[in-house]
Amino acid sequence: DQQVKQNSPSLSVQEGRISILNCDYTNSMFDYFLWYKKYPAEGPTFLISISSIKDKNEDGRFTVFLNKSAKHLSLHIVPSQPGDSAVYFCAASLNYGGSQGNLIFGKGTKLSVKP
Amino acid sequence: KAGVTQTPRYLIKTRGQQVTLSCSPISGHRSVSWYQQTPGQGLQFLFEYFSETQRNKGNFPGRFSGRQFSNSRSEMNVSTLELGDSALYLCASRIEPGLATIQYFGAGTRLSVL
Repeated sequence: DQQVKQNSPSLSVQEGRISILNCDYTNSMFDYFLWYKKYPAEGPTFLISISSIKDKNEDGRFTVFLNKSAKHLSLHIVPSQPGDSAVYFCAASLNYGGSQGNLIFGKGTKLSVKP
Repeated sequence: KAGVTQTPRYLIKTRGQQVTLSCSPISGHRSVSWYQQTPGQGLQFLFEYFSETQRNKGNFPGRFSGRQFSNSRSEMNVSTLELGDSALYLCASRIEPGLATIQYFGAGTRLSVL
């Protein structure tokens, strides 16, 4: 059973507009969430993360929102640029006695930003 | 600072063979994790090594094994290859398995089993 779900396989956005990528999770014990971006023939690149004690984290054009009651997080990219076109993965992890466990990934959302 | 380096980038093997993949972590990183990416299952955790010890293992058969050396470099071995082992194998390193630590990924090794 998938613990981290990205229900939209793809998303198309016009350059300059906002991109919103969504992620749902089922395990309420997850306490750390990350977003990675992946270009073809490259490994995933870390974008931004958020701890479960926060509900928002910003880094430049990227903002991640966490709604723990809904078990939902989203990544906002504003403004979107053609170079943002990539596959975006949501990942979550558990706290194992003070250490962070392995990452559990969603299946990704392919973002296309059109000029 | 150099990133995570994985070798080789591409491999072609036949069923029944075995394969060894290599990963050199970012300098100063002592934890190395391995993931398998396939179109059907997505990115799935294989195992993590820290201080030459396996500290966590995913739900994969015993044909998948790994090890870590004293310089933190890691190898992953798959024995008796099956067609379904064709995948992108990704290595990720982090400083240590502490809280809120970021894993940084290499470009991966693309394994094709014929």
